[in-house]
Amino acid sequence: DGGITQSPKYLFRKEGQNVTLSCEQNLNHDAMYWYRQDPGQGLRLIYYSQIVNDFQKGDIAEGYSVSREKKESFPLTVTSAQKNPTAFYLCASSIIRGGAEAFFGQGTRLTVV
Amino acid sequence: DAKTTQPPSMDCAEGRAANLPCNHSTISGNEYVYWYRQIHSQGPQYIIHGLKNNETNEMASLIITEDRKSSTLILPHATLRDTAVYYCIVRSSGSARQLTFGSGTQLTVLP
Repeated sequence: DGGITQSPKYLFRKEGQNVTLSCEQNLNHDAMYWYRQDPGQGLRLIYYSQIVNDFQKGDIAEGYSVSREKKESFPLTVTSAQKNPTAFYLCASSIIRGGAEAFFGQGTRLTVV
Repeated sequence: DAKTTQPPSMDCAEGRAANLPCNHSTISGNEYVYWYRQIHSQGPQYIIHGLKNNETNEMASLIITEDRKSSTLILPHATLRDTAVYYCIVRSSGSARQLTFGSGTQLTVLP
């Protein structure tokens, strides 16, 4: 099946540790995105990438890092510099031209313990 | 980026049409209007999009005003499973940057 897969679904991290969230798509999409969602809030853009080996900061990039070594993969690392990392993280992909919808993964819920 | 404005919440009786408004008064000529919805703790789901003309698919209808400054998403016969947060966003071609979400409208379908 074509789609976008995030793993794991739930993740627990100790304070001070880095953690990497996985996002893989087999839709041959050029663009990939990472969003953060806090309870009762909308989606906020962390990073996005339009092409392999290139990515851009979104609105809340501080404390996060990404890589785009392959078209299919866009992992997000939540670093120890992120002061409040507990949140729901969503990955999406799309083709870039107008008139094309984005597809979302089912999310990873990160909790810092 | 064109911004969108949506009411924070709406109720609708089951079986009735749900009409969700969105204002996008600064929309430019090459920007599409998209609607997504998010059921609690899941990833957003694409519903429909349009540029100028009204659109209909198996899920919903999208009515865009002639001046394109506002639109309405219509769920013709709302069910309890349509309870979700509905996001209206605008996006232009040629850049991934414009895929940005606002706060959306919490639609509650009442039995």
